Amino acid sequence: GAVVSQHPSWVICKSGTSVKIECRSLDFQATTMFWYRQFPKQSLMLMATSNEGSKATYEQGVEKDKFLINHASLTLSTLTVTSAHPEDSSFYICSAKTGNYGYTFGSGTRLTVV
Amino acid sequence: AQSVTQLGSHVSVSEGALVLLRCNYSSSVPPYLFWYVQYPNQGLQLLLKYTSAATLVKGINGFEAEFKKSETSFHLTKPSAHMSDAAEYFCAVTKGGTGNQFYFGTGTSLTVIP
Repeated sequence: GAVVSQHPSWVICKSGTSVKIECRSLDFQATTMFWYRQFPKQSLMLMATSNEGSKATYEQGVEKDKFLINHASLTLSTLTVTSAHPEDSSFYICSAKTGNYGYTFGSGTRLTVV
Repeated sequence: AQSVTQLGSHVSVSEGALVLLRCNYSSSVPPYLFWYVQYPNQGLQLLLKYTSAATLVKGINGFEAEFKKSETSFHLTKPSAHMSDAAEYFCAVTKGGTGNQFYFGTGTSLTVIP
């Protein structure tokens, strides 16, 4: 079946630095990927929709200059958290459409900013 | 607009007892509904999905859900709980088609008591 590989699975960074999270579709082409954020004991909140070859669409309240999304190929989307701060510490999950009804999720990235 | 409401943020059942996790949806168009399970620090795994075919949907690990339009519900059930079922469960809705994102419920944490 369709597999989405997300790396790294966890990362610790210093406040003020940037962190890049990768999401790859391993055996299919993903024209659309989604990035979610999940705080402890809470649900997933959609941050942005990433379309291959075009600008990402951000949800209301999500800073596009802080959360940079690049979807340069049909198999790779990246989320870069720029100038990270402790409040950005969260669990980030990507997903990709695998057909009209299919969505596959990555395994998530635990970001801790110290 | 699409949304889902999960009643009960925490549910506890005894091992071998019936599992019932509630989900009600709101949608201006025929919805596609999903149940996902999440284990700690992991991504989401699809349990089952409703995409306007049979109203009773059978999923993995013995779970099933019934789409009831009159009640706008899509409750998840399992006849006999197992210890390995302890996890976070999310109901989600999308209106299908290409590029449509998920809207997740707030999640229900299932505890199985031995």
